Formats: sequence, structure tokens, C-alpha cells
Amino acid sequence: DIVMTQSPDSLAVSLGERATINCKSSQSVLYSSNNKNYLAWYQQKPGQPPKLLIYWASTRESGVPDRFSGSGSGTDFTLTISSLQAEDVAVYYCQQYYNTPQTFGPGTKVDIK
Amino acid sequence: QVQLQESGPGLVKPSQTLSLTCTVSGGSISSGSYYWTWIRQPAGKGLEWIGHIYTSGSTNYNPSLKSRVTISVDTSNNQFSLKLISVTAADTAVYYCARDLPCSGGYCPRALSIWGQGTMVTVSA
Repeated sequence: DIVMTQSPDSLAVSLGERATINCKSSQSVLYSSNNKNYLAWYQQKPGQPPKLLIYWASTRESGVPDRFSGSGSGTDFTLTISSLQAEDVAVYYCQQYYNTPQTFGPGTKVDIK
Repeated sequence: QVQLQESGPGLVKPSQTLSLTCTVSGGSISSGSYYWTWIRQPAGKGLEWIGHIYTSGSTNYNPSLKSRVTISVDTSNNQFSLKLISVTAADTAVYYCARDLPCSGGYCPRALSIWGQGTMVTVSA
């Protein structure tokens, strides 16, 4: 299985400031034949299912605010919230869909400082 | 648009079988090229991929559960189902059904874009 790790476990950021979450995979999730990273990011608020934010490591899902951006390739990825809003308080998960079993990172909790 | 809704017993006794159904509305489960997926999340913990079934009926399961899990499709009722046998307290979790993104430009991102609200299943005598 591909093991996904995330850092930090939690972070608190002031409103309007940048939040950065890191995700690392135990093996590359870059598929060489199409040069795409099989990596997604989700946001989960309490009592709700996860919501897809980013796929192909950097493609924003329809309707997701542009303050959310994804970057990285191979084994190292980053989710950035450029200007944290109150509604962004949530747990964020990365996921690889390069192979099965699909695996998720342990999550990063984002709060307001 | 497509919506998913899980249903099934909220309480299952140890050693018995957990059976859940995901009803698809707003679209046909047999159209397009999608993976229909089950995910679970124990209270306060992370997400575990259980397995999925493709539109064609082929399945993939998490090896950690493979000996106990079956996912099937019922096209006549526009549903797909999860069966997990010989459950223990460790199977207590919120269970979600989900569907991946559509293919575009010849590429098929298997990220999960549509989720049900989840159903809590407790394994207890």
C-alpha cells in the first residue's frame, strides 16, 4: 500500500493569513505516461462528508474558491489556503488514487488563531 | 445532479454481517464510466477506503478487508451495496458511499467528487 503522511497534524492561522499543509507519499504517484499526479485533497467539516477540493494535485474542483491551491509532484505535495476564512476551519486530507487500495493521509486540522 | 444516500441498520451484533445500500438518484448507475466506492471513518479518526465497483461490475477491495467484504451493484434499483461479514467492534464507523469524477480529455481522475451523507454503524451486542 502507498502510505500517505501529512504535516503538521494541526495548525492555527489568523484570518486572512496563509495556511500550508504538506503531504508525502511513500512512493511516487506521478504516472509517467501522462505526467499526471494521482493526488487529491479533501476538506471535511464536523458532521459532514469530505468535500473534494483538488485533483491531479493542482486542478481545483468546480466551485472551489481560488484561495485553495495545490502543488507538488512525485512524492511531495502542498495544499495552500492563501487567505484563511472562518469557513475554512476543517480537517484536510490528501489521498492517492494512483493504485488500489486508495489511501488517505491522517488529516490536518486547521483552526483560527 | 447525481446524489447518493446510504441506508442500512445502525446496529449490528458482533460476528454478524453488516449490510449497507447506497441509492443513486439524479442519474443511472450503469451509465458512464465510474467507480462506485465505499469509505469508512471511525469516530474521530481518518478515512479508510473499503473498495469499489466499476460500471462494468469489476471490483477492487482493500486487502485489509478483502476476505470479509463484497460490493455489488443492483442496476434495476439504481443501487450498490456493501456486505461485511464477521464484524467486530473495530468495524464501528461512519460508512460513506461515493463516486469519482467523470473522465475528461481521455483522463479519468478517480478522486471522489460525490459523497453520501454517511451512515453510522455500531457493532455491539
